[in-house]
Amino acid sequence: EPEVTQTPSHQVTQMGQEVILRCVPISNHLYFYWYRQILGQKVEFLVSFYNNEISEKSEIFDDQFSVERPDGSNFTLKIRSTKLEDSAMYFCASSTGFGANVLTFGAGSRLTVL
Amino acid sequence: AQKITQTQPGMFVQEKEAVTLDCTYDTSDPSYGLFWYKQPSSGEMIFLIYQGSYDQQNATEGRYSLNFQKARKSANLVISASQLGDSAMYFCAMSLQAAGNKLTFGGGTRVLVKP
Repeated sequence: EPEVTQTPSHQVTQMGQEVILRCVPISNHLYFYWYRQILGQKVEFLVSFYNNEISEKSEIFDDQFSVERPDGSNFTLKIRSTKLEDSAMYFCASSTGFGANVLTFGAGSRLTVL
Repeated sequence: AQKITQTQPGMFVQEKEAVTLDCTYDTSDPSYGLFWYKQPSSGEMIFLIYQGSYDQQNATEGRYSLNFQKARKSANLVISASQLGDSAMYFCAMSLQAAGNKLTFGGGTRVLVKP
């Protein structure tokens, strides 16, 4: 069964460092998303991406965040200068954008900022 | 704006019994979708079941069924014949066609199946 793959599974970084989280969405999917889940809290929408541009972003997705689809297969989330409160599980998801538009999630990347 | 509420933070259920997880939602948009995802301790989010706002019948997927009561704005998940592997966090989520189909999640319900 097709799946969304994310790397790394866990990253520890120092406050102020740049982090790039990588995702390979399902190949025939057209919409890509990043969500985050702070430990013990609900899953929050960060950004959606379609046709090589951001289609929607949340208040959380400030200037410290950026997304890119550099080569037609990878979808990356960059955090420019990490803060302690960026510690969370980051989920990548993709969907066809049609019908029920079920999002398929990756296994997540746990980011720990020290 | 849409809102999803799951009022049960945690539940115990005996193996082989059924369990109902509550979910209520709030939106004025007539076109929306309701989803349930399972998050086991390993952390991944697994899609379980979907109900569209215009669907006349309640959705079913194997042991999962969705009790959709549109007038009450509720979309409860029923898991029949619980198994030990059903122990996990369960999230209700909603998407609005008018809002780019992004998902808004509820706070989740943790289910622990007892042998």
